[in-house]
Amino acid sequence: LQLQESGPGLVKPSETLSLTCAVSDGSVDSSRFYWGWLRQPPGRGLEWIASIYYSGNTYYNASLQSRVTISVDTADSHFSLKLHSVTAADTAVYYCARQGIAVAPWGFDSWGQGTLVTVS
Amino acid sequence: QSALTQPASVSGSPSQSITISCTGSSSDIGTYDHVSWYQQHPGKAPKLIIYEVNKRPSGVSLRFSGSKSGNTASLTVSGLLAEDEADYFCSSYAGTRVLVFGGGTKLAVL
Repeated sequence: LQLQESGPGLVKPSETLSLTCAVSDGSVDSSRFYWGWLRQPPGRGLEWIASIYYSGNTYYNASLQSRVTISVDTADSHFSLKLHSVTAADTAVYYCARQGIAVAPWGFDSWGQGTLVTVS
Repeated sequence: QSALTQPASVSGSPSQSITISCTGSSSDIGTYDHVSWYQQHPGKAPKLIIYEVNKRPSGVSLRFSGSKSGNTASLTVSGLLAEDEADYFCSSYAGTRVLVFGGGTKLAVL
């Protein structure tokens, strides 16, 4: 399984951050996993943002929920993140990852390499 | 401020053992066994090394072990190797589809 994030590395304040995670050597169309987005501000810890099931079922970090949209495209095997009204505090490395359900529930066992998004 | 509390740093000499604590509350670690640990080397993505408190994914060294007591989870690394020098993060399910992380611990192998 491989995950690869893509999207702009620079976003202006108040605009929308948009990222896509392409899933290869596997498929988002699986009942065994959720697919999630996490982020890590420079020099700081990890923060879970949101997760989505292939059916479209979603759940979000309450602190970000009002600004976040996550979606999945099973035909093209990718899932996406939109974070609206960004500020400098949203500057971080953004990761997409696979989240276990029956095995390693609430654990992320495969990760993309991460992409740095700077808000400025 | 992270929901789970970890020491900022720990250190040990090669071949020794170290333990990293992760303190939460009765709303997360104290109630649920969905505790995970991640290892992160500089510039790399995190790697899952422990899930469900004490289970290791395939391929993870037996030198890594996890446990839990009350509201605190622990990661033990035995037989320290230079390659174990990294940041370690804990996470826990906190109910109502919420996941929380610790702030991370830097492990130095002296």
